[in-house]
Amino acid sequence: DAKTTQPNSMESNEEEPVHLPCNHSTISGTDYIHWYRQLPSQGPEYVIHGLTSNVNNRMASLAIAEDRKSSTLILHRATLRDAAVYYCILVVYGQNFVFGPGTRLSVLP
Amino acid sequence: DTGVSQNPRHKITKRGQNVTFRCDPISEHNRLYWYRQTLGQGPEFLTYFQNEAQLEKSRLLSDRFSAERPKGSFSTLEIQRTEQGDSAMYLCASSGQGASGNTIYFGEGSWLTVV
Repeated sequence: DAKTTQPNSMESNEEEPVHLPCNHSTISGTDYIHWYRQLPSQGPEYVIHGLTSNVNNRMASLAIAEDRKSSTLILHRATLRDAAVYYCILVVYGQNFVFGPGTRLSVLP
Repeated sequence: DTGVSQNPRHKITKRGQNVTFRCDPISEHNRLYWYRQTLGQGPEFLTYFQNEAQLEKSRLLSDRFSAERPKGSFSTLEIQRTEQGDSAMYLCASSGQGASGNTIYFGEGSWLTVV
């Protein structure tokens, strides 16, 4: 199974940017990097994904290191609604999404 | 709403009873997944279907668990002779062909409590 390493928890203040790191040193050339988040009592929600280049969407930005062994999910202005568990997942072609424990993000007012 | 739909959302059952959960995926998606999640853990993969074919089953899926997707549309997950350790949230997800770059979309989950 593809492996990622994330901090167990992080805190941020409301309206400040948040950088959520993920290490994936065993990534191979065809593995996609996906980020999902899970709000309390809900199913995981897609946030963003990328292969090699940095990606932006309305929810977040994904910065991928040049060697692809790490990535960072960037929330540009954290809100209270962004408090969730964030999962970084390597999607290996032909295999399933394997979730780790993720990073629990707390947003302080 | 065209998202993944799961029913029932909550189920409380006595140990030893059978339970069945239903999942209706996004209509054009041919892949359907089942995951299980306990408190404080990430979702754990159980099984997935491509159309009506069940292509992979996790070792977590004991003989008491069975999943079907008879016409390649909705799916059911049945747990026979429930045990307290089966208490968890059961998540269904769906995706289009080729789930490496494609995203998977999750339902809200079905909470099972075995008493």
